[in-house]
Amino acid sequence: SQTIHQWPATLVQPVGSPLSLECTVEGTSNPNLYWYRQAAGRGLQLLFYSVGIGQISSEVPQNLSASRPQDRQFILSSKKLLLSDSGFYLCAWSPTEWAELFFGSGTQLSVL
Amino acid sequence: AQSVTQPDIHITVSEGASLELRCNYSYGATPYLFWYVQSPGQGLQLLLKYFSGDTLVQGIKGFEAEFKRSQSSFNLRKPSVHWSDAAEYFCATRSGTYKYIFGTGTRLKVLA
Repeated sequence: SQTIHQWPATLVQPVGSPLSLECTVEGTSNPNLYWYRQAAGRGLQLLFYSVGIGQISSEVPQNLSASRPQDRQFILSSKKLLLSDSGFYLCAWSPTEWAELFFGSGTQLSVL
Repeated sequence: AQSVTQPDIHITVSEGASLELRCNYSYGATPYLFWYVQSPGQGLQLLLKYFSGDTLVQGIKGFEAEFKRSQSSFNLRKPSVHWSDAAEYFCATRSGTYKYIFGTGTRLKVLA
């Protein structure tokens, strides 16, 4: 069966520090991968998605970037965090463009 | 572009009572619709999905949803709510190739 791992679960970082959140999927190949950010009362905002290694689509211009160095690995990064980057970050995957999304357990990021 | 609206931010029901959570969508073609549930600090879990066929869809945990094209709705229902159903519920739909958009969520509180 397929599983998705996302870490860390919580992270407290100072303003201006770098960020790296990692997500990996097991038990499948060539998944579509997604990063969402969730703010209270605002639902889920799509940040990035990837349909293959090295292919990244950005949905929202911002302080963040994403990379997919391996088929089942998706990384969310920032060189310098802002206060506004605080939030709950969710990684998700889908086997095809027509299937549902499967979510990781999320990372609560607090930028202080 | 597709959109999803969940008009109720909060809903409170008594344990054992019936539940209906509303979801309205806009679409350009056949919608792909989903309901997810999220417990605090956790990722999203898929409750059910609608792609085509029978407009009444059964999901996990005793939930069902009905697709009504004439009303552009995909409301989630449960005949008898349990205290463990307290969580936040998100309606979602496909929005273009590879993208999924989510409503802002409905937080369910269950009274003992």
